[in-house]
Order: sequence, then structure tokens, then C-alpha cells
Amino acid sequence: ETGVTQSPTHLIKTRGQQVTLRCSSQSGHNTVSWYQQALGQGPQFIFQYYREEENGRGNFPPRFSGLQFPNYSSELNVNALELDDSALYLCASSLGVVLSVGELFFGEGSRLTVL
Amino acid sequence: KNEVEQSPQNLTAQEGEFITINCSYSVGISALHWLQQHPGGGIVSLFMLSSGKKKHGRLIATINIQEKHSSLHITASHPRDSAVYICAVRSGEAGGTSYGKLTFGQGTILTVHP
Repeated sequence: ETGVTQSPTHLIKTRGQQVTLRCSSQSGHNTVSWYQQALGQGPQFIFQYYREEENGRGNFPPRFSGLQFPNYSSELNVNALELDDSALYLCASSLGVVLSVGELFFGEGSRLTVL
Repeated sequence: KNEVEQSPQNLTAQEGEFITINCSYSVGISALHWLQQHPGGGIVSLFMLSSGKKKHGRLIATINIQEKHSSLHITASHPRDSAVYICAVRSGEAGGTSYGKLTFGQGTILTVHP
């Protein structure tokens, strides 16, 4: 049990719809990062938030956006869903300071299926 | 060529065997993580390394910064060690848009038979 919770655990959407995934970080952790893991592949970094500001981003289009709230929980929003967005979405929290991020604690993931 | 390469991709062992999984990377890093992923998706962080060696129980992780190489060792392997083991490196480019970016290897599928 890592203390990181994600919701929903499973969801099904259709092409063109929008989705919001949520992550509650471990108590005291101020950094949240999001990852996309397609079936049979390794995770891909989407972006990272430190104290409510995005401070790192991978190669994902702008329709992938996020937020981090004052309590350090986070949302991942995906607009205009495409079939290839079907994946397991993982969030991880850690205790970060400027220029450094500590050990990661992952949630169980949200499995998104786009039909 | 991927920035993070793991070997082997698949590994089968008998209970009690000593296991080594290797990770090589080609970029500058601030830290390297070894992760364990069980069926169903949950990921557990095993180690975070920036130099030297760390040990937790039967698991040992080493890193050689000059050679850009890390190894994860499991002593006295057990069927419950069966999982996917993933090496991930954290970008060391502070201040850039990719700061904090984790780049993952493709994973090593370990199966330990009784």
C-alpha cells in the first residue's frame, strides 16, 4: 500500500470524448507525475507537477493537460480521445525539492479503453 | 536505439537461483530507479540510485555512472519474485522542459519456477 490512490480504476469512453483521471498523492508529497502505459509496453512520461506548477513534460500533445491542487492531489485531462489513448494511466507521487525529486510511490492506475 | 536498454527481455529461473538484470542508458541522469510491476499494473519502487550500491533484503542494486550501467540482483530467488522489472532513468537536465522526465526501459519479465 503506497498511499497513492487513483480514480476511476477502469473506464470506457468513445472517440472524441473527454476524460478526467484523478490522483491523490501520499501525505506530504508535493510532486506528482503521470505516465501512460500501453498494453505490453513500458510506461511513457506525460508530465510532472511540483507545487502546482508543471515543471517537466514528455512528448504528448496539448490535448493532454493536468492540474495539481493546493493539497497536491492531481488531475490528468485528455480531450478529443483517440483509439490510441487506450492505456493504463499511472500517477506517482514523491517528495521533491527544487532540482531534485525523491523516491516514487505509484498508484494502481486507471485503465482507459477508448472505443 | 532506445535511451534505456534492459537485458534480458525474458528470464526464467528455478527457485533459489541468483538473478541479474542489466540496464544501460545513453543520457545524462540525476537518478536511476528500479521498479517492479505485477500483473494488473501496480508498480512498486524498489530502489532509487544515483551512485554506488543499495541493498534491501534479497535485492541488491548497483550503478556505475561512468559506464552508464546498472544491475539489479536477486539472491535466492522465489516464485513470488515473478514480475516485470523495469529500469527508469530521471533526466538530469534541470530547468529544461524535460526536467524530471523518467525514461523507462522495456522491462524484463522474470518467471521463477518452484
